[in-house]
Amino acid sequence: DAKTTQPNSMESNEEEPVHLPCNHSTISGTDYIHWYRQLPSQGPEYVIHGLTSNVNNRMASLAIAEDRKSSTLILHRATLRDAAVYYCILRDSQNLKNAGGTSYGKLTFGQGTILTVHP
Amino acid sequence: GAVVSQHPSRVICKSGTSVKIECRSLDFQATTMFWYRQFPKQSLMLMATSNEGSKATYEQGVEKDKFLINHASLTLSTLTVTSAHPEDSSFYICSARNLGTSYNSPLHFGNGTRLTVT
Repeated sequence: DAKTTQPNSMESNEEEPVHLPCNHSTISGTDYIHWYRQLPSQGPEYVIHGLTSNVNNRMASLAIAEDRKSSTLILHRATLRDAAVYYCILRDSQNLKNAGGTSYGKLTFGQGTILTVHP
Repeated sequence: GAVVSQHPSRVICKSGTSVKIECRSLDFQATTMFWYRQFPKQSLMLMATSNEGSKATYEQGVEKDKFLINHASLTLSTLTVTSAHPEDSSFYICSARNLGTSYNSPLHFGNGTRLTVT
C-alpha cells in the first residue's frame, strides 16, 4: 500500500480553523484518500474521503492537490470534541474490486496526527 | 445508521483463560469484518479479516490458533483470544463495511474492547 506522512501533532484554539496536512507522494491513480479520526478510548470514526476533487461534508473539507501527492483535511471551526488522532489513509480502489473477498477493503493505519484543541 | 457494536467493552481475565469478543453490525449486513489491535500510544494494527462463511485471513505474524475468528452470520463476527497472557492485554477493535454499499465505502468501527490479562 502507498504510504502517507503526517505531522505527529498539531495544536489549535477552539473555534479556529485547523488544516491537517498529509503527504502521499507515491499515490497511484486508483488510490482514494480517506480520513478517519479516533477519539480517546474509542474506535476510529470516518471523516471524509476523495479521489481528485475537493470534498465537503458536515464534518470537514478535504482539499486535494492537483498532482494528488498531498491533501489537507480542514476543520472549519475546531471544538474541544475535535481533539483526536487523525489518520490519513490511502485505499486502492482496484484491489477493492479484484481481491475476491479476502482482505479487500482493509484500512492500513499509520501513526496519524494528534490534534490538541485549546479552549 | 451503520452502527457496529462490540461486546464486552472491557474485560479482565486471568492468564491462561480464553476470552471471546463479539462484533455485531446492528443495522446492516457485512460479509467482511476486520479485527485490529491497538497498544497504548500506538496506531491500529490489522490482525485479521473475517469473511462470512469462510476462513479468516490473518496478517503476517498473527497466530491463527491463538486468535480464533468466527464469522457465522452476516451480522456477527467473534474473536476469541485463547490461553491469554499479559502480553495480549490490548485494545481490540472491529470494523465492517456495509454489504449494500460500494467497494470504496467507509468502514464502520466498533468502540473497542479493552482486554486486561492478569
